[in-house]
Amino acid sequence: KQEVTQIPAALSVPEGENLVLNCSFTDSAIYNLQWFRQDPGKGLTSLLLIQSSQREQTSGRLNASLDKSSGRSTLYIAASQPGDSATYLCAVRRSGAGSYQLTFGKGTKLSVIP
Amino acid sequence: DTGVSQNPRHKITKRGQNVTFRCDPISEHNRLYWYRQTLGQGPEFLTYFQNEAQLEKSRLLSDRFSAERPKGSFSTLEIQRTEQGDSAMYLCASSSDPLNEQFFGPGTRLTVL
Repeated sequence: KQEVTQIPAALSVPEGENLVLNCSFTDSAIYNLQWFRQDPGKGLTSLLLIQSSQREQTSGRLNASLDKSSGRSTLYIAASQPGDSATYLCAVRRSGAGSYQLTFGKGTKLSVIP
Repeated sequence: DTGVSQNPRHKITKRGQNVTFRCDPISEHNRLYWYRQTLGQGPEFLTYFQNEAQLEKSRLLSDRFSAERPKGSFSTLEIQRTEQGDSAMYLCASSSDPLNEQFFGPGTRLTVL
């Protein structure tokens, strides 16, 4: 059974700092990994999707890396802003026929202090 | 707005009542997913549709839960005889291909009293 772990559970940083969020998964047989942002009481906003054949993806100040063999992904946020405050979730899609679901971690709650 | 929409956004019900939620996916997406999220946890998969066919169901989807997508467009999730443990955020997502990004709606927050 795939398990996804995100460390740390919560993180507080001053505005302007660069930061890294970590995600690990137990089964390396994945199709892709997706990072999401969730604001309190809201749905999920997709940030980045990395296919299993890719090593990283970039969008603006965000860069996500994937090391499938070691079961790890990182989300790097450059020059953090108070508007980045949210919970960040990673999710993996297991490879193999008949499985379409995403398996999520519990998330990292990020607070960026002005 | 061409995103995923869900209705209602909030639902408060008494234990034992039936509730139904609706999800309208992004118009060109033929894949639709339902997830459930409780406080402090990541979303947990419930079920998946490709067009009108329900192709995957989680063990979380007990016999009190039923989902439909009759015409391959919108979907409904019904919970019969609600229990307090059903209180959660119910999230719907859609994608154009199972390997592509899943886009989520705003969710329906259910509170069972």
